[in-house]
Amino acid sequence: GENVEQHPSTLSVQEGDSAVIKCTYSDSASNYFPWYKQELGKRPQLIIDIRSNVGEKKDQRIAVTLNKTAKHFSLHITETQPEDSAVYFCAAYGGSQGNLIFGKGTKLSVKP
Amino acid sequence: DSGVTQTPKHLITATGQRVTLRCSPRSGDLSVYWYQQSLDQGLQFLIQYYNGEERAKGNILERFSAQQFPDLHSELNLSSLELGDSALYFCASSQGGPLTYEQYFGPGTRLTVT
Repeated sequence: GENVEQHPSTLSVQEGDSAVIKCTYSDSASNYFPWYKQELGKRPQLIIDIRSNVGEKKDQRIAVTLNKTAKHFSLHITETQPEDSAVYFCAAYGGSQGNLIFGKGTKLSVKP
Repeated sequence: DSGVTQTPKHLITATGQRVTLRCSPRSGDLSVYWYQQSLDQGLQFLIQYYNGEERAKGNILERFSAQQFPDLHSELNLSSLELGDSALYFCASSQGGPLTYEQYFGPGTRLTVT
């Protein structure tokens, strides 16, 4: 079945810097890749997603890139702010299992 | 607010007991998913229902079961509870139609087994 690896597990950046989180997936049939932000004790919130027919998608300070050949996708956050501090999860959907498989998460800390 | 509701918010119970968690999906969504999130762990997919029928099963224990009712709300039943079942349980919903993959999560139920 699908397996999603996420790196790094923790990331600390200075306010205003950029942050990049990377994920790899194993099932080439996967066709949908969302990113979720989860603040402590709260629900995961969908922040951006990308489908397999698109290479890049942007939404203000957040962008996601997808390399289908290499089977990896990345989340880019520019001009980070303290409120970006949270755990970020990537996921892959589709393939043989037909449900979201999540990475283990990246704890992002943005220092003022 | 995602539009997905879950009750109760918190649940404290003893080992060996049985509990029921409830989820109401967003208006118009036909699919409901259940996830378990243990401390410092990621999101583990348990089970999916679509319009009342079980569609996919993940790492769900035999002690756990779920169902989706005609009004599309879903219940997750956890029985013979063990200390290790303490976790956040999230429900998510999606439209469930072809090429509609976006899942929106509810606020979760925090289960503590003592």
